[in-house]
Amino acid sequence: QKEVEQNSGPLSVPEGAIASLNCTYSDRGSQSFFWYRQYSGKSPELIMSIYSNGDKEDGRFTAQLNKASQYVSLLIRDSQPSDSATYLCAVRRAGGSTLGRLYFGRGTQLTVWP
Amino acid sequence: DAGVIQSPRHEVTEMGQEVTLRCKPISGHDYLFWYRQTMMRGLELLIYFNNNVPIDDSGMPEDRFSAKMPNASFSTLKIQPSEPRDSAVYFCASSLNFDSPLHFGNGTRLTVT
Repeated sequence: QKEVEQNSGPLSVPEGAIASLNCTYSDRGSQSFFWYRQYSGKSPELIMSIYSNGDKEDGRFTAQLNKASQYVSLLIRDSQPSDSATYLCAVRRAGGSTLGRLYFGRGTQLTVWP
Repeated sequence: DAGVIQSPRHEVTEMGQEVTLRCKPISGHDYLFWYRQTMMRGLELLIYFNNNVPIDDSGMPEDRFSAKMPNASFSTLKIQPSEPRDSAVYFCASSLNFDSPLHFGNGTRLTVT
């Protein structure tokens, strides 16, 4: 079982729609969760961090965390063509000999068409 | 803040040559990571350091790969000898502590012919 799994996509939505990206993780002790956006040929850039159960909103982005279900999601409201990118879910290990190790999912490619 | 600085941005070399990639983390960050990204395998963690000490190098593909962090502001990833299958984008990233997000450098695109 992989540490972090994402819905493989690709995901295609029209401009103005809500894009929903999902991620599950295997280490129940994980405490830190991140969403990164990566444009083609660029490095990953952080768009959201979430540490507690529930929702966290930042502009058009909402991250949702459910530790009991080991599930993290990212909602993008009012999607724009500029949101077209690969979205990477990342989970950071909170304990053990590999404290701080960060696991990435394979990413979900999102296309927002005008 | 200058961010994570990697050099070179691009490296083209012939099989069998030594390649050295360099990274300067964000000042004050305790953790430094080296990742490799390919279309086939995605982002793979090669090795990471905490306070200049390697914590987990289980992702280093084989003995041809080595990484050092002689001080808090500099790290190198060396491949000797290089092979065509090492062609990838190599990212360095740093974080403030064990649960804060990573900040990535611009990456080094390595091509081994």
